[in-house]
Amino acid sequence: AQTVTQSQPEMSVQEAETVTLSCTYDTSESDYYLFWYKQPPSRQMILVIRQEAYKQQNATENRFSVNFQKAAKSFSLKISDSQLGDAAMYFCAYRTRRDSNYQLIWGAGTKLIIKP
Amino acid sequence: DGGITQSPKYLFRKEGQNVTLSCEQNLNHDAMYWYRQDPGQGLRLIYYSQIVNDFQKGDIAEGYSVSREKKESFPLTVTSAQKNPTAFYLCASSMWTSAIRGTDTQYFGPGTRLTVL
Repeated sequence: AQTVTQSQPEMSVQEAETVTLSCTYDTSESDYYLFWYKQPPSRQMILVIRQEAYKQQNATENRFSVNFQKAAKSFSLKISDSQLGDAAMYFCAYRTRRDSNYQLIWGAGTKLIIKP
Repeated sequence: DGGITQSPKYLFRKEGQNVTLSCEQNLNHDAMYWYRQDPGQGLRLIYYSQIVNDFQKGDIAEGYSVSREKKESFPLTVTSAQKNPTAFYLCASSMWTSAIRGTDTQYFGPGTRLTVL
């Protein structure tokens, strides 16, 4: 069974600096998607970035980028120029293909604190 | 504006009572999902539905029931059989495709906080 591990329960960073959140996963599949979601204090889950496993190029969305290492099964999120609004729980998720359906497997999350 | 709505935002349940959480989407998405979130944990899938009048159990379906009579609506009932229902419940939806490389990004509603009194 696929698993997703976020080894950092909490991270803190000074405003305007860069922070990297770690995510590792375990799978025997070759075709899959990986996601980072953000959950601010409002608790609504917001998609940050998505990576397709068959693409070697790392995905980028403005200040957010990923370092996707397929062989190492690693999918870290880098946030550049951190802003106060980035403070949230960040969840890594893997999209499996189970029973012909696509489902998400979630990590436990990393709480990101932004210091002003 | 397109989006997903959940109601109510807060819900209180007495012991032995069934309660229903509402989820509506106007994104024309085919698939809908219900997740449960407990403190310090990731999301766990309760039920999902790919098309109207069809749904599948997720990892923690016991004590829950769903229906999918309309494409836009996917209500979740928390029954008295669910022994520890206090949690945050999130509904999501996505475009469904059977293509291997089809997109399936899930978009979420604002959630419902259920508390057992």
